[in-house]
Amino acid sequence: EIVLTQSPATLSVSPGKGATLSCRASQNIGSNLAWYQQKPGQAPRLLIHGASTRATGIPARFSGSGSETEFTLTISSLQSEDFAVYYCQEYSKWPPWTFGQGTKVEVE
Amino acid sequence: QLQLQESGPGLVKPSETLSLTCTVSGGSISSYYWTWIRQTPGTGLEWIGYITYSGSTSYNPSLESRVTLFVDMSRRQVSLKMRPVAAADTAVYYCARGRGASAYYFDYWGQGILVTVSS
Repeated sequence: EIVLTQSPATLSVSPGKGATLSCRASQNIGSNLAWYQQKPGQAPRLLIHGASTRATGIPARFSGSGSETEFTLTISSLQSEDFAVYYCQEYSKWPPWTFGQGTKVEVE
Repeated sequence: QLQLQESGPGLVKPSETLSLTCTVSGGSISSYYWTWIRQTPGTGLEWIGYITYSGSTSYNPSLESRVTLFVDMSRRQVSLKMRPVAAADTAVYYCARGRGASAYYFDYWGQGILVTVSS
């Protein structure tokens, strides 16, 4: 089973500023990584798949990068609706597919 | 617009069976991987398993001995049964659509249903 480690656990950012979230995989997963956003009381929402492809309807301020074991989600200018918890998920060869423990982006 | 809706009892007694149903509307149920995922404060998001429209399944090895997934194409429903349950199975259970080439990310999710295991 692949372990995903997200950092930091909490990120304090002012609205309008940028944020960089990290996800590290315990083994090479190529580009088979997705990012999700979750707000309180809601289901996760797909932001990015294939490490860097934005899902339908996702604003361009969200971007993903990385490959193999190191991945990054960047939010270029945080809007009020972006304060949430972000999870990465790997979907490499075999199940079970796993999620990171999450990074909470909060208002500084 | 595809919608997924979970339903089932919110309270289950220890050692009994947890039964949940996911109803799919607004889109095709074929060609995708209908997945159950659960979330707890302690263990985070955990992939439970998937089923296809043809009935092919894959389960998380940690849960495989206790979980069975079913699909009813005529009702456009995917169902989860887990037994026996324990307090550690208390979680929000999500139904999601998996897509990808040979491994899957999840592009549509239900709202989730909280299931509490308690006597």
